[in-house]
Amino acid sequence: AQSVTQPDIHITVSEGASLELRCNYSYGATPYLFWYVQSPGQGLQLLLKYFSGDTLVQGIKGFEAEFKRSQSSFNLRKPSVHWSDAAEYFCAVGLTGNQFYFGTGTSLTVIP
Amino acid sequence: DAGVIQSPRHEVTEMGQEVTLRCKPISGHNSLFWYRQTMMRGLELLIYFNNNVPIDDSGMPEDRFSAKMPNASFSTLKIQPSEPRDSAVYFCASDSGFRNTIYFGEGSWLTVV
Repeated sequence: AQSVTQPDIHITVSEGASLELRCNYSYGATPYLFWYVQSPGQGLQLLLKYFSGDTLVQGIKGFEAEFKRSQSSFNLRKPSVHWSDAAEYFCAVGLTGNQFYFGTGTSLTVIP
Repeated sequence: DAGVIQSPRHEVTEMGQEVTLRCKPISGHNSLFWYRQTMMRGLELLIYFNNNVPIDDSGMPEDRFSAKMPNASFSTLKIQPSEPRDSAVYFCASDSGFRNTIYFGEGSWLTVV
């Protein structure tokens, strides 16, 4: 079955520490891959996306993600977290025919 | 550039009342999606349109829900009659069709009491 898995429901990090949020997918071919962020009371904002080419993609707000085909993963990273990064993060997969699948999200808490 | 615009941002209504949520997609985008987000079920796709035509409405929970897209710049999601379990955030999103990137509106926060 097609799926997007975010194994960590909730993560807490200290401000200034590095961050990695995990995302795995199960599809036959390489899909389009996305990370979205949702701040409290807001909609989902696109952080970054991967279609093809360089497997390390840069996004907004200092985030990056690396596509690893062998692991079917697309993990999100940030070298130094800021308090304003506290939010819900969603990994998503896009397939042809306007099919999108979202993970269940990872809630990030940042400790001062 | 204007993003996806939704209205109302917040609505509180009584059970049994009709609720209409509105969406204006990004100009030039030919696909439009309605999602519902709750704590229990996360983000659920309700329906999506391509070139104003409903393509997949399998996520619409029941007959009380209906969606229309009369033209490329406007869509509505209607709940009639509304029930407390419909309380959720309803997101509209649009996609240009190029490399399948969807952009979300700010959401409509619905509370049915």
